[in-house]
This record gives sequence, C-alpha cells and structure tokens, in this order.
Amino acid sequence: EAQVTQNPRYLITVTGKKLTVTCSQNMNHEYMSWYRQDPGLGLRQIYYSMNVEVTDKGDVPEGYKVSRKEKRNFPLILESPSPNQTSLYFCASTPGGPIYNEQFFGPGTRLTVL
Amino acid sequence: KQEVTQIPAALSVPEGENLVLNCSFTDSAIYNLQWFRQDPGKGLTSLLLIQSSQREQTSGRLNASLDKSSGRSTLYIAASQPGDSATYLCAVNSNAGGTSYGKLTFGQGTILTVHP
Repeated sequence: EAQVTQNPRYLITVTGKKLTVTCSQNMNHEYMSWYRQDPGLGLRQIYYSMNVEVTDKGDVPEGYKVSRKEKRNFPLILESPSPNQTSLYFCASTPGGPIYNEQFFGPGTRLTVL
Repeated sequence: KQEVTQIPAALSVPEGENLVLNCSFTDSAIYNLQWFRQDPGKGLTSLLLIQSSQREQTSGRLNASLDKSSGRSTLYIAASQPGDSATYLCAVNSNAGGTSYGKLTFGQGTILTVHP
C-alpha cells in the first residue's frame, strides 16, 4: 500500500532531551516536507527536501533539523526540544515536485514537551 | 505573501443537506489548489486537486471549483452524511520564491458537523 509513515505517533518528552521523528514513504517520491499544526495557526511548513541531500527551510525552521540521506526517509530532529515545540507534526511527500502533483500526508505525530 | 482564508470556520447541518465550503486566497498566481479532509487527531486525506488551468474537479459527492482570477475556490458536498463530519482544509500551492517546487499555504479549515 502506498503510504507515508511516521514514528512515533505519540511522544511525551522533557525539555532538552534530543528526539527524532522518523518519516518514510514507499512511493519513490522526490519531494518531502514537514509541517506542524497548532490551534489558531493552522499548518506551517518547517523544512522541505527536493531530493536526496537537498533540504531547505520552510516558514518555521527554528529549533529543528532534517536530513535526507535516502530518498524514502526524511527524519525530523529536535536537538533540544522546548515546550513551544509541543504540536502535531505531519510529514508529506509528492512525486517530482508539488507544482502539479497532490501531496500525501502521514498520520501525524503528537509531540508534548514538558 | 500568500494568505488563505476559509469561511465559515464551523458549520453544522442536518443529514441530507447540500453544502458549500469556501476558500479564498490573496495571490492568484497559483499552481494548484488542494482540498483535504482531517478527522480529529488524524492525518490529512487528499480529496481533490485542481490545477490552475482547471475550473473544477469532481469525486463522488464532492465537487470543487476554482476561480483563479478572483482568488476563490468552493467545495460542494452533495447529500451530506454524518460520516462527512470532519475538518476540511484548503491548501494553495504557489511560488515559493527561488524554487521550482512551489509551497503549500493552508487555510484554517472549516469544521463540519453533519447530524442525523
């Protein structure tokens, strides 16, 4: 089944404890991105990647890192999480680029930073 | 900077009604527009994708129209059912500046409740 998977789905952690949220897609998509969703602010893009080893900042990249060593994986890294990073996170992918193609979203990761 | 607005913010209707959700955007230079459905605590499910050259797309009881010049899109749901209850998000794909990949800008969503 074609899909975008994220792990973990739920995570409660403490301030400063490094964590990684994994994202994997099995559709051979070139473009992947991360979003966070917050009440009243909607979905905002954190980082995106146009292909392996090519990443760039979205609208809210502060406090996050990403890497794209393989086409299928695009992990989101929080080196020193803070409470303002408590949010619902989504990974998305699209073939080629999103100009003409629909984006496919993962199920989300709900992160709580205490 | 692209801004996307969805009206109404919430809508409650009895089962069987036809309904319209609205989405407006400030920059008409878009590549495409995508409607999503989000169930509580869940991910986004793509409903319809309309390219900038298209006027509408249909899938089952859903019909989405696009008027790029006026910066508007509508999602029409026919014969609504309780299972249609969800948040509906409109996302506009427009130039991100310096890239050829575009950028999705989301509206805040319309929370739809269809009661039996």
